[in-house]
Amino acid sequence: NAGVTQTPKFQVLKTGQSMTLQCAQDMNHEYMSWYRQDPGMGLRLIHYSVGAGITDQGEVPNGYNVSRSTTEDFPLRLLSAAPSQTSVYFCASSPTQGLGETQYFGPGTRLLVL
Amino acid sequence: AQKVTQAQTEISVVEKEDVTLDCVYETRDTTYYLFWYKQPPSGELVFLIRRNSFDEQNEISGRYSWNFQKSTSSFNFTITASQVVDSAVYFCALSEPTYNTNAGKSTFGDGTTLTVKP
Repeated sequence: NAGVTQTPKFQVLKTGQSMTLQCAQDMNHEYMSWYRQDPGMGLRLIHYSVGAGITDQGEVPNGYNVSRSTTEDFPLRLLSAAPSQTSVYFCASSPTQGLGETQYFGPGTRLLVL
Repeated sequence: AQKVTQAQTEISVVEKEDVTLDCVYETRDTTYYLFWYKQPPSGELVFLIRRNSFDEQNEISGRYSWNFQKSTSSFNFTITASQVVDSAVYFCALSEPTYNTNAGKSTFGDGTTLTVKP
């Protein structure tokens, strides 16, 4: 099993550009989530999904869109990148609903918006 | 709203010293989970421990131990006889249920950077 994979590992964008951060897991996990980590801060939840077709907002959803068409994939879309979105993005998954379950994290995507 | 506070931003110790990382949380729920994660310099997140709100037993795993006290809303983490390899950022996290989807949502503290010097 590859676990949770994220692509790309590093990306540079110009303000206003759009892009999609990819996240995939091969553990048949129902729950997937996206976090961002800014310097000196912990992870903040952007969006999460409890299964295919079901998503919900986290703490900092503005500027990001998600969809979950399959169990395996949970892409994060930046519609119009802003310098404030410069961050490290982590995707995570857990077997079912997420409460009390260990989350398995991907290696992260480092995003720089100029 | 749930909140996790890790008041110690940075801690520096000399190898073999014991060190305690503090975590204080706020929640209105009676059912919740607490976690500790380690983020070494390589950047990945490593799960260390999970504790539910109904289990206040302390836990020891090798050089690591955790002290959960509901009365003070604290979930502290102690490393005994620290080693250079323990140098990392340590995060405390709180997971609560979301009632619209019955899923869990996690809130992380800002982390404590531990440096263990040889």
